[in-house]
Amino acid sequence: DSGVTQTPKHLITATGQRVTLRCSPRSGDLSVYWYQQSLDQGLQFLIHYYNGEERAKGNILERFSAQQFPDLHSELNLSSLELGDSALYFCASSVGSSGGALETQYFGPGTRLLVL
Amino acid sequence: AQSVTQLGSHVSVSEGALVLLRCNYSSSVPPYLFWYVQYPNQGLQLLLKYTTGATLVKGINGFEAEFKKSETSFHLTKPSAHMSDAAEYFCAVSDFREKLTFGTGTRLTIIP
Repeated sequence: DSGVTQTPKHLITATGQRVTLRCSPRSGDLSVYWYQQSLDQGLQFLIHYYNGEERAKGNILERFSAQQFPDLHSELNLSSLELGDSALYFCASSVGSSGGALETQYFGPGTRLLVL
Repeated sequence: AQSVTQLGSHVSVSEGALVLLRCNYSSSVPPYLFWYVQYPNQGLQLLLKYTTGATLVKGINGFEAEFKKSETSFHLTKPSAHMSDAAEYFCAVSDFREKLTFGTGTRLTIIP
């Protein structure tokens, strides 16, 4: 158990809909990262928040947005969903703000999204 | 831009045999390199990482990897495979400013 929690575990929805994925980082971690894992694209970095502020953006679509709240939990909002958005969405957390290299990222179990 | 290539999307080895998972990287600056493991229905777990210093890095569960700059490689090895090693393994690269960039993964199957 990494200490990172994600809800829900599974989500089934229809095209055109909007969903919200939630992530609670490990106690004491200030950074939250979101990743998308799909069969065709592999594991892709979406966005990084540190202590409530956006720090880096990756391959995140304009239909997707995220935020990190004062209690440090984060939400990833996916709107106007398409079939191709079906994927496993991971959240990870780390203590500081340095992103990829200098800190270990601890991953949650993921939310599996199926768009029908 | 940085990238990682993992050779072989599927690797099968017999229990007790050597495990070798290959990773080559491309980076314009000295890289930081990582191996993560993903067990079924779980998130990714860090196995080991190379930042600076000793080029042979030891990780959890008996795995190790060697950074070879001349070959731009960071292959993962374990002397003797165990059934519990069956999982998907991801190599990743980063510089100290940027996000992790992952390879496409290698699924390791252990044959009893």
